[in-house]
Amino acid sequence: DADVTQTPRNRITKTGKRIMLECSQTKGHDRMYWYRQDPGLGLRLIYYSFDVKDINKGEISDGYSVSRQAQAKFSLSLESAIPNQTALYFCATSEKGWTTPLSYNEQFFGPGTRLTVL
Amino acid sequence: AQRVTQPEKLLSVFKGAPVELKCNYSYSGSPELFWYVQYSRQRLQLLLRHISRESIKGFTADLNKGETSFHLKKPFAQEEDSAMYYCALKVANSSASKIIFGSGTRLSIRP
Repeated sequence: DADVTQTPRNRITKTGKRIMLECSQTKGHDRMYWYRQDPGLGLRLIYYSFDVKDINKGEISDGYSVSRQAQAKFSLSLESAIPNQTALYFCATSEKGWTTPLSYNEQFFGPGTRLTVL
Repeated sequence: AQRVTQPEKLLSVFKGAPVELKCNYSYSGSPELFWYVQYSRQRLQLLLRHISRESIKGFTADLNKGETSFHLKKPFAQEEDSAMYYCALKVANSSASKIIFGSGTRLSIRP
């Protein structure tokens, strides 16, 4: 089955370390997203990419960077991790809207990566 | 400002009782709203969207533009409905769209 996978699933690291979270998909979707989930705050968009050459900041991009290495891969990096980046991180994908550029298509989520920064 | 508000962090009801999960939004454009659900040990997934006017797993949600609400309802709750529910709003400009999620409501169905 076509899927969205994330590695690692769990990670504990120390303040100041560089961390990369990876997302791969076999759905053939053009669009990919990174969210973080915090209790009481829900899901917040960090970065999104509508194709390999198109990367956009979300609402909470400070302290993060991304790389879209291929249509199927979208990595999230924390250059210097800090404790308030402790959260559950989700990758998601969606098809490009075929009717208009503004079409919204269902997002398919990965299983999540639990990151703890000590 | 574009915002989705889910006022209840936790909603607990008995099996067989009606359920209503509240969602209010703030958006100057024409709203498109969705409900996503995350069952225990499963991934977040789309439950329903308002433009489809569908009933999924007995849940319905009606967009009320006057009250800027999109509450999720089910007349008779079942234990398998226990999950985390997120209301989401599509926001768009001239070239692209994205969605904004609410903070979520955990629904707990008591036997």
